[in-house]
Amino acid sequence: DIVMTQSPLSLPVTPGEPASISCRSSQSLLHRSGYNYLHWYLQKPGQSPQLLIYLGSDRASGVPDRFSGSASGTDFTLKISRVEAEDVGVYYCMQGLQTPYTFGQGTKLEIK
Amino acid sequence: EVQLVESGGAVIKPGGSLRLSCATSGFTFDDYAMNWVRQAPGKGLEWVSLISWDGSGTYYADSVRGRFTISRDSFENSLYLQMNSLRPEDTALYYCAREFEGTNSLDHWGQGTLVTVSS
Repeated sequence: DIVMTQSPLSLPVTPGEPASISCRSSQSLLHRSGYNYLHWYLQKPGQSPQLLIYLGSDRASGVPDRFSGSASGTDFTLKISRVEAEDVGVYYCMQGLQTPYTFGQGTKLEIK
Repeated sequence: EVQLVESGGAVIKPGGSLRLSCATSGFTFDDYAMNWVRQAPGKGLEWVSLISWDGSGTYYADSVRGRFTISRDSFENSLYLQMNSLRPEDTALYYCAREFEGTNSLDHWGQGTLVTVSS
């Protein structure tokens, strides 16, 4: 199984400041299509997860452009350019290259 | 509007069986692969199972293989998860989720249904 490792697990951020979450996969997530099958989700308190970023860097419908994703080999990064209060919750990376799909442990973003 | 509504969660004794349902609307059900993902209380997300758009392919996490069966009904536009030989560690909120075509990402999620396995 592909192991996904996120860091940090807790991320206190001041509103208006940037934030960055890392996710590392135990093997390449590069599909034959040329895309990395790495996706980011946000689970806001009391809600179901929502898709933020798919294929490493594509924003899902309705996701603000302050969210961005990037990749370098097996290292993936989710960046928030300016954190807002509504961004609090737990962020998960997930690989969809092969079953079993696997998630990172989650990164809890909180407002300072 | 895409909607996924899970049901069937309950409190059940170890060794028991339960069938979860996910009623869908707002999209062409037959065009999409579907998944079950669970979340134990206070824990992270765990992928459980996937069924292809036409039902020809089914995949499972090792933790549930041989005990759980995923299925779909195109007439009912519904997804199912038959859970047998339930264990306390199966206690979780179970979400159904639609797969975004061609990406293997999960673009729509239901609100979840709670399964509690306890004597």
